[in-house]
Amino acid sequence: AQTVTQSQPEMSVQEAETVTLSCTYDTSESDYYLFWYKQPPSRQMILVIRQEAYKQQNATENRFSVNFQKAAKSFSLKISDSQLGDAAMYFCAWVEYGKLTFGQGTILTVHP
Amino acid sequence: EAQVTQNPRYLITVTGKKLTVTCSQNMNHEYMSWYRQDPGLGLRQIYYSMNVEVTDKGDVPEGYKVSRKEKRNFPLILESPSPNQTSLYFCASSLTSGRSSYEQYFGPGTRLTVT
Repeated sequence: AQTVTQSQPEMSVQEAETVTLSCTYDTSESDYYLFWYKQPPSRQMILVIRQEAYKQQNATENRFSVNFQKAAKSFSLKISDSQLGDAAMYFCAWVEYGKLTFGQGTILTVHP
Repeated sequence: EAQVTQNPRYLITVTGKKLTVTCSQNMNHEYMSWYRQDPGLGLRQIYYSMNVEVTDKGDVPEGYKVSRKEKRNFPLILESPSPNQTSLYFCASSLTSGRSSYEQYFGPGTRLTVT
């Protein structure tokens, strides 16, 4: 069964510092998409960044970037210059035939 | 504005009292699904629909029903809710289940409490 694992239930970071959230996944597919979603206290699911598996280049969106290691099936999220508004639950996810498979989530706390 | 709507946003009910959570999208999407979110488990798919009148079970379908009579609507039905169905529920949609499913749209979530 395809799985997504986030091994860090909680992480914390000082404002303006950098933090990396880890994610590993398991699939036998060769072409797929990976995502990081942010869920603030409002509970809304917000797409942070998306990576297509056949693209070698790591995706970047402003302060958010990923380290995608396809062979290792690793997909970590780096948040640079952390801001108080980055505090949220973060989910790693993988999509196959429309179905998203999510990791357990990582709660990120940002200290001023 | 492209969106997925869910109603109600909050619901407290009692064991055994049938309820329906509605989901509607205005993007002419073929693929729709329901997820439940529980602490430590992330989001798990309950049911999905690939088009009108085509529905199938996801990973945690027990205790739930769905229907897809119109393309835009995909209601989630709990015929006899139990406390273990207390959860946060999300409806999601994408254009198809193929490569375009990289673009997923989520509803705002429904917080359900069953006492």
